[in-house]
Amino acid sequence: AQSVTQLGSHVSVSEGALVLLRCNYSSSVPPYLFWYVQYPNQGLQLLLKYTSAATLVKGINGFEAEFKKSETSFHLTKPSAHMSDAAEYFCAVSLLSSGSARQLTFGSGTQLTVLP
Amino acid sequence: GAGVSQSPRYKVAKRGQDVALRCDPISGHVSLFWYQQALGQGPEFLTYFQNEAQLDKSGLPSDRFFAERPEGSVSTLKIQRTQQEDSAVYLCASSLNPSPGVYEQYFGPGTRLTVT
Repeated sequence: AQSVTQLGSHVSVSEGALVLLRCNYSSSVPPYLFWYVQYPNQGLQLLLKYTSAATLVKGINGFEAEFKKSETSFHLTKPSAHMSDAAEYFCAVSLLSSGSARQLTFGSGTQLTVLP
Repeated sequence: GAGVSQSPRYKVAKRGQDVALRCDPISGHVSLFWYQQALGQGPEFLTYFQNEAQLDKSGLPSDRFFAERPEGSVSTLKIQRTQQEDSAVYLCASSLNPSPGVYEQYFGPGTRLTVT
């Protein structure tokens, strides 16, 4: 079984401050890991993904995440928050196993607020 | 190019009514997923199609939920005898290939279903 835990359902940062959104996963096999962003009334957009290559993954809009197997974590960071980063962020996991639907299992989300 | 589209965007149904939700995936995408997103939660997997074959329906919450993709492109999610607990946003996603390591799932904007 696989699951994802996002710590903090709401995070507020000041514009220009570091953004850190936490994600821990549990998986019995090496996972694929993803971060998605959802703006109001829109679908989810992929920010970045980890697929067992480099442990530090760079994504769009200046976001990056580091896969740490020892901590079973995949935290999302951005050095300097912009007002446009305000949105809901979802961490997701998918198994490598063949024959599965490879559906995504999502965390419950973190709402990021950026304060002026 | 066109992304994943869903219709209607909003649907209000009286308890006991049947509803049909449509998903138009990106042209040529083999894989199609349906997810249910309850208020304040992350999306949860419902079902998966590879072309016209429904390979996984393990996430469908009851036999009132039915999905089809008869020609391997457009998909319809049908909910019979709607209940209040069916109120959620229903998201459709498509992917060129099942493999999450290479091929991204592209999400539509969702259909917000409210059962009164």
